Amino acid sequence: DTGVSQDPRHKITKRGQNVTFRCDPISEHNRLYWYRQTLGQGPEFLTYFQNEAQLEKSRLLSDRFSAERPKGSFSTLEIQRTEQGDSAMYLCASSLARQISGNTIYFGEGSWLTVV
Amino acid sequence: AQKVTQAQTEISVVEKEDVTLDCVYETRDTTYYLFWYKQPPSGELVFLIRRNSFDEQNEISGRYSWNFQKSTSSFNFTITASQVVDSAVYFCALSEEMNRDDKIIFGKGTRLHILP
Repeated sequence: DTGVSQDPRHKITKRGQNVTFRCDPISEHNRLYWYRQTLGQGPEFLTYFQNEAQLEKSRLLSDRFSAERPKGSFSTLEIQRTEQGDSAMYLCASSLARQISGNTIYFGEGSWLTVV
Repeated sequence: AQKVTQAQTEISVVEKEDVTLDCVYETRDTTYYLFWYKQPPSGELVFLIRRNSFDEQNEISGRYSWNFQKSTSSFNFTITASQVVDSAVYFCALSEEMNRDDKIIFGKGTRLHILP
């Protein structure tokens, strides 16, 4: 399977614990995105990387969230001191920037987070 | 500011009926890209189509067709002879060239139920 893969697919954690999600983009895709989706809503942009550089962070990304893409390949999204409001699906996506804009973004299956 | 509106929250039709999902967008950019994604219960966002703002030709792919009307800022999606497997949440999305980052903004989605 050469699509975007995410791990774990499901995570249940107690409030206050830290969690980390991993994303492996499609091979050779240089852009990688994290989105968050809550029930009944469309995905909302969190952050994106061009290679290993994090170029934009949404206001939704509080200080407790940190994302990395150390070698320009896989990425991790860590949430520290989780709160119940962090319960959501975290989607990773990637694209190959062949042109300045309008490149298609391909999404993974998402990582469901439940904070209890 | 960019915005995507999907006024239909939920639609139910009987199998084999045709159904149209509406999408209206707002953008200040002159070059932009419109997308439709399908999200089945598994959670993965499946790319269906990308359309750039200079191409107003309607597109047909099997039972799927898309009607792009710049004059009304709409990009509607029609499924002909619907099937139960078409049941999913469908998202319309927009990306602006000025951002130069492929970031896409989603509507809230339309949940489509195809009844056997």
